[in-house]
Amino acid sequence: DAGVIQSPRHEVTEMGQEVTLRCKPISGHNSLFWYRQTMMRGLELLIYFNNNVPIDDSGMPEDRFSAKMPNASFSTLKIQPSEPRDSAVYFCASLVRGSYNEQFFGPGTRLTVL
Amino acid sequence: AQSVAQPEDQVNVAEGNPLTVKCTYSVSGNPYLFWYVQYPNRGLQFLLKYITGDNLVKGSYGFEAEFNKSQTSFHLKKPSALVSDSALYFCAVRDNTGSARQLTFGSGTQLTVLP
Repeated sequence: DAGVIQSPRHEVTEMGQEVTLRCKPISGHNSLFWYRQTMMRGLELLIYFNNNVPIDDSGMPEDRFSAKMPNASFSTLKIQPSEPRDSAVYFCASLVRGSYNEQFFGPGTRLTVL
Repeated sequence: AQSVAQPEDQVNVAEGNPLTVKCTYSVSGNPYLFWYVQYPNRGLQFLLKYITGDNLVKGSYGFEAEFNKSQTSFHLKKPSALVSDSALYFCAVRDNTGSARQLTFGSGTQLTVLP
């Protein structure tokens, strides 16, 4: 099993540009989570999906952020327009079926907005 | 609401000595508790979890954690630290009531094992 796959691993963009981060969860996992990690704020949950449906997006910082999960094997997190304060490492994690199983994290995407 | 506190930003320990990374939690129901480790430029890796049963939980790489309900704590321990254990450690909790699956993470503790 390849684990959770994220792309790109690194992204450098200019302020105002659209950024799309991608995640492929582990096959068979039915919950997917997007996190953001910064030195100042630590690890923050942005949004999570159960069976491709967004359940809680209260962590999404503002309307510039959007996330989709069109099918069980793919999710995107989009920032439009991007701002320098969005610079962070974005992690995707997925959860195997079962109410108390652990989340498996991807390697993360390091986003730098200039 | 659920919350986690890791009171120490940094823990230093000499190689071969025992280590403890502290964690306390707050949930409305019974807790599911987790420890994760993050090495530089990597994602979080699962170490161990407490769901129910024995209060002492054993996990990967020789780590263990003790669930203490009266003190609402779940401290991570290892009898003999290795330099390779140096990393960022996160405690996480979720409530076992309802269908919500999101974890609440602590702020992380940077463990440095000195040779």
